[in-house]
Amino acid sequence: SQTIHQWPATLVQPVGSPLSLECTVEGTSNPNLYWYRQAAGRGLQLLFYSVGIGQISSEVPQNLSASRPQDRQFILSSKKLLLSDSGFYLCAWSFDRGQGEAFFGQGTRLTVV
Amino acid sequence: AQSVTQPDIHITVSEGASLELRCNYSYGATPYLFWYVQSPGQGLQLLLKYFSGDTLVQGIKGFEAEFKRSQSSFNLRKPSVHWSDAAEYFCAVGAWAGYKLSFGAGTTVTVRA
Repeated sequence: SQTIHQWPATLVQPVGSPLSLECTVEGTSNPNLYWYRQAAGRGLQLLFYSVGIGQISSEVPQNLSASRPQDRQFILSSKKLLLSDSGFYLCAWSFDRGQGEAFFGQGTRLTVV
Repeated sequence: AQSVTQPDIHITVSEGASLELRCNYSYGATPYLFWYVQSPGQGLQLLLKYFSGDTLVQGIKGFEAEFKRSQSSFNLRKPSVHWSDAAEYFCAVGAWAGYKLSFGAGTTVTVRA
């Protein structure tokens, strides 16, 4: 069976510091990978998705970047955090050929202070 | 492009009462439809999905949803809610070989004793 791991669960970072959130998937090959951000009352905003190693698509311009150095590893980064980067970040994966059904990690609560 | 509307931001229901959450989608072809549930501080868990066939689909935790093409709706129902059903619920629409799901803004369900 497939599993997704996302860490850390909680993170408090000062403004201007770097960020690295990591997500890994086990039990499948060549998954589609996603980073979402969730703000209260605003649902899920897709930040990045990847259909293969080194292939990253950005949905919204922002202070964040994503990378996929390995088939089942997805990293969300920032060089300098802003207060507005605070939020709940969710990693997800889906089968490379399918109906888009996504499976989510447990999320990271990021607070920028 | 596909989109989802969840008209109800917040619903309060008594324990043991029935629950119905509304979802309307916009998509030019046959959609793939999903309902997810999120407990506070957690990731999203898939409740049920519709791809084709029987328009009434059963999910986990006693939930069901009905696809109505004429109304572009995919409403979620539960005959008798339990206190543990208090959570946020998201409707989503996808497409075959599509990379992304489009999520609604979510409906928060409060269960009162």
